[in-house]
Amino acid sequence: QEQLVESGGGVVQPGGSLKLSCTASAFIFRNYGLHWVRQAPGKGPEWVAFVRYDGSNEYYADAVKGRFTVSRDTSKNILFLQMNSLRGDDSALYYCAKSADGSAADAFDIWGQGTMVTVSS
Amino acid sequence: DIQLTQSPSTLPASVGDRVTITCRASQSISKWLAWYQQKPGKAPKLLIYKASTLETGVPLRFSGSGSGTEFTLTITSLQPDDFGTYYCQEYSSYSWTFGLGTKVEIK
Repeated sequence: QEQLVESGGGVVQPGGSLKLSCTASAFIFRNYGLHWVRQAPGKGPEWVAFVRYDGSNEYYADAVKGRFTVSRDTSKNILFLQMNSLRGDDSALYYCAKSADGSAADAFDIWGQGTMVTVSS
Repeated sequence: DIQLTQSPSTLPASVGDRVTITCRASQSISKWLAWYQQKPGKAPKLLIYKASTLETGVPLRFSGSGSGTEFTLTITSLQPDDFGTYYCQEYSSYSWTFGLGTKVEIK
């Protein structure tokens, strides 16, 4: 069945960097847009970033624009999130999620289990 | 940016109850609204998309309605597995927004 598995989370100091990965399986990776979504403890989900199926466009939430970069490696079925200049309010469980559509904005039909990012000194 | 307001924030209910959750958008989003269910320690699960289309495998007791700025999620007969938190999400443009959630808890 379609699956997404995140990795790369951990504890990082304020101002530091971290790179998350999300490995996809059981669906045609190159056909679908992919998202990063985060959820702080006790809070609702917050969309972070999206990359179109072909990597041609990226979109970011205002809170992370200029600090985070989303990318994908279609040859390895992996989605990435490079996070720089991390702040305390970036601490959250980070999920990758698959768009139900390849190019257009759509709902998220598959989610990973999440990887935890903690920004603390 | 589009804001989504869910109500109520908490909904005490019993098994067998009919439950309705409302989601209001700050501007028209046509039918570009989804509903998710989340259980503790789990990722959100897609229930409904395009305001009223049931995702494959979701029980028929779940239904969605609405368009424009006002939407509802209805569970016709609440089952034990339905307790959890429900979120609406809009996807009318390339900036996805979630509501703050409605926790359906045991009365």
